[in-house]
Formats: sequence, C-alpha cells, structure tokens
Amino acid sequence: SAVISQKPSRDICQRGTSLTIQCQVDSQVTMMFWYRQQPGQSLTLIATANQGSEATYESGFVIDKFPISRPNLTFSTLTVSNMSPEDSSIYLCSVEGLAGAPGQRNEQFFGPGTRLTVL
Amino acid sequence: DAKTTQPPSMDCAEGRAANLPCNHSTISGNEYVYWYRQIHSQGPQYIIHGLKNNETNEMASLIITEDRKSSTLILPHATLRDTAVYYCIVRALETSGSRLTFGEGTQLTVNP
Repeated sequence: SAVISQKPSRDICQRGTSLTIQCQVDSQVTMMFWYRQQPGQSLTLIATANQGSEATYESGFVIDKFPISRPNLTFSTLTVSNMSPEDSSIYLCSVEGLAGAPGQRNEQFFGPGTRLTVL
Repeated sequence: DAKTTQPPSMDCAEGRAANLPCNHSTISGNEYVYWYRQIHSQGPQYIIHGLKNNETNEMASLIITEDRKSSTLILPHATLRDTAVYYCIVRALETSGSRLTFGEGTQLTVNP
C-alpha cells in the first residue's frame, strides 16, 4: 500500500482565517481525493483532485471555500478558506491507482487525517 | 451507488470470529462490495472487496450471497486491535476512478 502523509496533523485556527493542508504520497497515483469527517459522523467526499486541471467538487462543496491544487502525481493541497467553527472536522486525503501496483488498482488508501478546530 | 444497511454496533469476544453483516439489496451488476474500517482517530483502512465471488486475504474473508443482495465480512480470530467502525460500501468502478460513499458503519467492539 502507499505511504500517505498529511501536514499539519492538527491545528487550532481562528474564525475568518484560512488553512492549507498538504497530502504527500510516496509513489505516483492516478487519483487523489479529499474527504471531511465532522465530529461523530462518517466521511463525506469533498472533491477529486485532478492533476493539471480544476478539481471536481461534490454537491455542497465549492471551489471558493475549498480550493484544491494537484501539481503532480504525488502531492495535493486542500485549503479551508474563511473558516468558521462549523468547519471543525478531520480532513482526510486518499489515493487510488498506485503506479506499479496493478493488483491494487481499485483500492483506495487514506492518509492519517488533519484534525482542525476553529474557534 | 447503491445504499447499504449495517447494524450500528456489535460485540465479539477476543479470539472468536466476528461476522459483520451488510445489506445492499439495490446493488447493480457492475457494483463491487468494499469493506473499510476506521480505528479511532485514524484514517480508514482498506480491508477487502469483491464482485460476486467470495474473497479472502490476510485480514478477512468476504462472503457475498448468490443474489448479491447482502454480504458478510468475517474476521476469523478477532483481537482487541480489531475494535473499530467497519464500513460496507457499494461502489461502481469507473475508468476515471469513483467515489467511496461512507454510511454510518458498524462499531465493532472486541471484548477480552
């Protein structure tokens, strides 16, 4: 499986500020995704990070609030903009389609998450 | 993607088999059954997936009924470290990748 790291692992932020979360994978991957997990709830997909083009957002999520970058096949960022306490969640990066691992082509692997608290 | 139904919680004794059921009565012919688990404060971990045949790997076995309307994840010898939320997900595989739609899952507690 892939080794996925996220930075920061946690942060406490003030209302109205923005935070950029980084996701780094140790091998090239086809797909990268960003999920949100609000306290006590299940995971919800925010968007698919597309390399070389704009991210594909799920219903209820917009680019102005959650801008995403994916400059190459191993790295992506998610920014949570103009934060409010309702944005307090765990944000998770996931990847699929590991290069050189055709047997794991349809397995999605998750990073450890970034725990965000907005005051 | 088809909807899944799982019991909210289950208990299992350490060393015994844990059998986690999942109903997916509206599953389509091109949809796979995936299982993930999430140990507290960690990212979800892939366990196993299958289309219609039973599958086994080093972590678990997946039994899918012949009509594919339900499945069971089996942890053959549960340990305390298997305590987690287990998610059953039905997913259609598309050429450009596809989303995982997480439900509420089953909280499995393995007791000593």
